[in-house]
Order: sequence, then C-alpha cells, then structure tokens
Amino acid sequence: DGGITQSPKYLFRKEGQNVTLSCEQNLNHDAMYWYRQDPGQGLRLIYYSQIVNDFQKGDIAEGYSVSREKKESFPLTVTSAQKNPTAFYLCASTWDPRNTEAFFGQGTRLTVV
Amino acid sequence: SQQGEEDPQALSIQEGENATMNCSYKTSINNLQWYRQNSGRGLVHLILIRSNEREKHSGRLRVTLDTSKKSSSLLITASRAADTASYFCATDARSNQAGTALIFGKGTTLSVSS
Repeated sequence: DGGITQSPKYLFRKEGQNVTLSCEQNLNHDAMYWYRQDPGQGLRLIYYSQIVNDFQKGDIAEGYSVSREKKESFPLTVTSAQKNPTAFYLCASTWDPRNTEAFFGQGTRLTVV
Repeated sequence: SQQGEEDPQALSIQEGENATMNCSYKTSINNLQWYRQNSGRGLVHLILIRSNEREKHSGRLRVTLDTSKKSSSLLITASRAADTASYFCATDARSNQAGTALIFGKGTTLSVSS
C-alpha cells in the first residue's frame, strides 16, 4: 500500500541531545514537508523540500535541520539548539501542492526528559 | 506566520445539527484545502477547492470560496458524533522558484454530542 510513514511514534530526548525523526513515502511525491504542532495549536511549517537535494526553511526552522538525499526520504533532526522541542511532529508529502492534496504521516510525539 | 485563520476556534453542537467553520487567508492562492485531524493523529484530506471555483460538495461536506474576501467556509451537514475532530484549512500561499509551501491555520475544534 502506498503511504507515508513516520517513525518512531514516541521519542524521548534528554537535554542537549540531537534526535532524528524519520519520514518515508512511497507515493513518488516530489514535495515533502515537516510541521510542528503544539497542544491545541495549528501546524507550523519547519522545513519543506520540492526536489531531491534541495530544501527551504519554513517559519520556525531554528534548531532543526533536514536532508533530502532521496526522493522518498526527508528526515528531520531536532538539535540541542532547539530550546523547546517537546511537540507533535508531522510529516507530509504531495505531488504538487498547487493542485493536489497532501498525505500525512501519523506523527511523532517528542518529549524532552 | 499563519496564512489561514479558522473561526470559531471551538464549536459544540448536537448530533444532526449542521456545523459551519470559516477560514480567512491573506495572499493570493491557487487552491484552498480542508483537512481533518482526530486527536493525536495525522491529518486527513477532506476537500480541495481551486481559486476559480466557488463551491464544491463531497458527501455531507460543502465548501465555498470567496477569493474577493479571501475566505472559505466548510459546512458539515447532519453532523454525527464521529465528526468530532479538529478541522484545518490550508493554502498554497508561499510559492517561489524554490517550491510551494502548504500553510495551515490554527484550526477549529468540533465537538458533536449525541
């Protein structure tokens, strides 16, 4: 079945650690996105990528990094520079955001311990 | 910055009633989309309306778009308890040579009681 998979579902990070969230899609979509969602809030854009080996900062990119070495993969690293990383992270992909729907993963809940 | 702003932030209704939520946005768009999110889950696409369309239907959903007012509404008719979720609008508001970003609003939380 085609879809978008995020892993892990739950992740715990110690202060000062970097952690990487995985996002894989087998939909052959060009565009991929990372969003952050805080309790009771909307989605805020962290990074997005239209094509392999290229990505753009969103509204809240500080403290995060991404890579797009393969079309199907768009991992997000939450670095120690992100001072308040506890949140729900959502990955999405779409063939063309100007014309087609986005598909979302089930999310990763990151907690700092 | 948020592109879309939904209104109201929260809505509580009884089963069988209609639910209407609104979305306003700031810049020109190619399309506007509505998504649903059950608690703790990913978002699911509901409907996409293009900038040259004024109204679109899908089952119990009716979406309107007014580009002159930069606003859209989502109507859910004959609501059910299973419609309880958060609803978000999204636009392809940020588009340049580097790509197009989908920008979401803060959402409307709908609670349908039986």
